[in-house]
Amino acid sequence: GAGVSQSPRYKVTKRGQDVTLRCDPISSHATLYWYQQALGQGPEFLTYFNYEAQPDKSGLPSDRFSAERPEGSISTLTIQRTEQRDSAMYRCASSISPHNEQFFGPGTRLTVL
Amino acid sequence: QQQVKQSPQSLIVQKGGISIINCAYENTAFDYFPWYQQFPGKGPALLIAIRPDVSEKKEGRFTISFNKSAKQFSLHIMDSQPGDSATYFCAAQGSSNYKLTFGKGTLLTVNP
Repeated sequence: GAGVSQSPRYKVTKRGQDVTLRCDPISSHATLYWYQQALGQGPEFLTYFNYEAQPDKSGLPSDRFSAERPEGSISTLTIQRTEQRDSAMYRCASSISPHNEQFFGPGTRLTVL
Repeated sequence: QQQVKQSPQSLIVQKGGISIINCAYENTAFDYFPWYQQFPGKGPALLIAIRPDVSEKKEGRFTISFNKSAKQFSLHIMDSQPGDSATYFCAAQGSSNYKLTFGKGTLLTVNP
């Protein structure tokens, strides 16, 4: 595609449910990042992939958060047993390689009731 | 610990005026400093970026000024236009760490 796409754009869930967010990066981009953006804040790093490898997941807030990129293309971010504090915008970005410009997707707005 | 501090939180400028947004960082390992522009409903988009080997970079109406000793950098928007109204984020990245560390953002409003 022409840009980074994310789905769903909006997700409302009840506390305790699991959710999975999807990111489709720009084709040929090797590197993919996940960020969490609270209202009125800048994006905060969660994790990144270089192809299917996940060298850094230091930003994941707890073991309820996990991410995959099994074929080095599409990635999913899963939050298990969601809590109200997980409510935020989740943004995906991709770049040709690490240290190149990161292109951001439109985000998924997650609301946990 | 907030590694990149951005100010002001919001800014109102008249059309044709100069908009100035400031950022300060703590981590001396940062070596890449981009500015992102974000319109409502969209993801952040790279506007302009600088590396610490230069003190200034200009692209059209947008200029980054960088002060390595003070660990500060700023974005100047000359001849501000209503279409520049957006949220601006400064960020920083280190050579050994690919993640971007963002400031909290500045909501810029340019009045016609």
